[in-house]
Amino acid sequence: GESVGLHLPTLSVQEGDNSIINCAYSNSASDYFIWYKQESGKGPQFIIDIRSNMDKRQGQRVTVLLNKTVKHLSLQIAATQPGDSAVYFCAENNTGGGNKLTFGTGTQLKVEL
Amino acid sequence: GAVVSQHPSRVICKSGTSVKIECRSLDFQATTMFWYRQFPKKSLMLMATSNEGSKATYEQGVEKDKFLINHASLTLSTLTVTSAHPEDSSFYICSARDDRGLEQYFGPGTRLTVT
Repeated sequence: GESVGLHLPTLSVQEGDNSIINCAYSNSASDYFIWYKQESGKGPQFIIDIRSNMDKRQGQRVTVLLNKTVKHLSLQIAATQPGDSAVYFCAENNTGGGNKLTFGTGTQLKVEL
Repeated sequence: GAVVSQHPSRVICKSGTSVKIECRSLDFQATTMFWYRQFPKKSLMLMATSNEGSKATYEQGVEKDKFLINHASLTLSTLTVTSAHPEDSSFYICSARDDRGLEQYFGPGTRLTVT
């Protein structure tokens, strides 16, 4: 079946460094992608999204890159801070199909002081 | 930003009883809401899509008679776990899709513990 997965379950970075979290997706019909941050015991928090007609989108300290050729999505966090420690999920959506999110397995980001 | 609330945030119930969880969009209308279940250190799994004014659409393997969904208005969806058992213990999260766009906003989650 269709799946969205992440390459690394845990990522440890030093405070101030840049973080890169990767995600692979398999549904070529997906046209909308979102990154969420989830802190322990809380619901997912929207970080940034990108549509399939774009390959890059920037927000505040975050950048999402989309490579449709290899079905790959990444989230870059600049100058990682302790408050960035959380689990990050990518999600895909085929808006013309089921129009519902499929979540990846998640990456635990740990920021070391 | 858009806010989605869930109530209660935590609930403990005895095996065999039913529990109702509410999901509200506070500052936008949501014809479509979603209910997810999340086990510890796992991803979110979609249980069902809740549609205002019509029946919910359940994902494969989710028992519709056990997880009753009612989407009574454009700002409220409820999930009722009927005849709860310990294996129903989980973190239940709802989301609401703003009628004006694609984005989904998530609630804070409800921790259900069945003893």
